[in-house]
Amino acid sequence: QKEVEQDPGPLSVPEGAIVSLNCTYSNSAFQYFMWYRQYSRKGPELLMYTYSSGNKEDGRFTAQVDKSSKYISLFIRDSQPSDSATYLCAMRKAAGNKLTFGGGTRVLVKP
Amino acid sequence: DAGITQSPRHKVTETGTPVTLRCHQTENHRYMYWYRQDPGHGLRLIHYSYGVKDTDKGEVSDGYSVSRSKTEDFLLTLESATSSQTSVYFCAISESQGLTNEKLFFGSGTQLSVL
Repeated sequence: QKEVEQDPGPLSVPEGAIVSLNCTYSNSAFQYFMWYRQYSRKGPELLMYTYSSGNKEDGRFTAQVDKSSKYISLFIRDSQPSDSATYLCAMRKAAGNKLTFGGGTRVLVKP
Repeated sequence: DAGITQSPRHKVTETGTPVTLRCHQTENHRYMYWYRQDPGHGLRLIHYSYGVKDTDKGEVSDGYSVSRSKTEDFLLTLESATSSQTSVYFCAISESQGLTNEKLFFGSGTQLSVL
């Protein structure tokens, strides 16, 4: 079983809808959580970084962490066609430097 | 892509041949990483470097070696390429590994096909 599970999608939504993405993980040692966005034929870029359980907002993006359930989410409000990309979750333990990535969810926002 | 250049962008090679991928950065960041990305597996760390001539293994290091003789360059070598090493390879850099900095900057990737 993988340490981090993420539905590969694709997730297709109409423009303006809320996109809801999530990852589950099995190792309670993960303490730091990130979301990366990856456009086709490009490298990933960091979108959100969270440490504690709860919500963190940045513009149209909200990251949510529930450590008790080992579940993290990313919500994209008022989705745009330019949000069409693959979204990868990543997480790290308190000690060490290695990031563990989910497999990514492909999102398509249709005009 | 944050001052990171990967070369080549595409390569096709034959099984058993050595292959070297290059990552060049202009950000003067201390840490450099090599990842591979495969469908269903996400990004997996191959090797990383925390300074000139200082490198360490990641989770999928078998069959790969790295070298860093200058701050700006990090080379990944497939000693004898196999078909299982067909993948997209990403170089990444980061300024520090402190608690407040998880920001990895990624290059645009190298698509490697081993026939």
